[in-house]
Amino acid sequence: DQQVKQNSPSLSVQEGRISILNCDYTNSMFDYFLWYKKYPAEGPTFLISISSIKDKNEDGRFTVFLNKSAKHLSLHIVPSQPGDSAVYFCAASSSGAGSYQLTFGKGTKLSVIP
Amino acid sequence: GAGVSQSPSNKVTEKGKDVELRCDPISGHTALYWYRQSLGQGLEFLIYFQGNSAPDKSGLPSDRFSAERTGGSVSTLTIQRTQQEDSAVYLCASSLVMGSPEQFFGPGTRLTVL
Repeated sequence: DQQVKQNSPSLSVQEGRISILNCDYTNSMFDYFLWYKKYPAEGPTFLISISSIKDKNEDGRFTVFLNKSAKHLSLHIVPSQPGDSAVYFCAASSSGAGSYQLTFGKGTKLSVIP
Repeated sequence: GAGVSQSPSNKVTEKGKDVELRCDPISGHTALYWYRQSLGQGLEFLIYFQGNSAPDKSGLPSDRFSAERTGGSVSTLTIQRTQQEDSAVYLCASSLVMGSPEQFFGPGTRLTVL
């Protein structure tokens, strides 16, 4: 049973517009959420994170929103740039789990069209 | 280099053979994780090491999989009697301390079992 779901396998956005990537989770024990970006043949790169005590975290062009009641988070990229084209993974962890293992979604491939 | 390194980058083996995958974490990082990503899937947690504590092996898919971490630094993931379903990209990650959810990933080892 998938505990972290990214229901859109792909997304295409025009350069300069906003990209919105969505993620849903089912495990109410998750209290920390992260977004990773992955280019082909490279490992995932940490992008931005949010603790469950917050509902928004912003870092430059990237903003993550968390809606705990809906068990939903989203990543906003604005303005989108061609270099943002990559696969984005949503991940979650539980401080109560001890090992801080990350549970990942299957990823959304973002294509930013020049 | 400052990042997590893994070797080999690619490994092709025949069904039934044993393979060893190596991970060098970031210097000073006490926590080390192994994940794997099968085609079209998200990253799947395998095993976690923290300092000298007993590893969390809860993600290992079978007893053919084992891992060790020598001297609190380099880790080796061993897969015995490989099967075709073991084909995946194996990713290693490290983090500075336990309780730090941000994990830094290596480039991965692509394992192909023929």
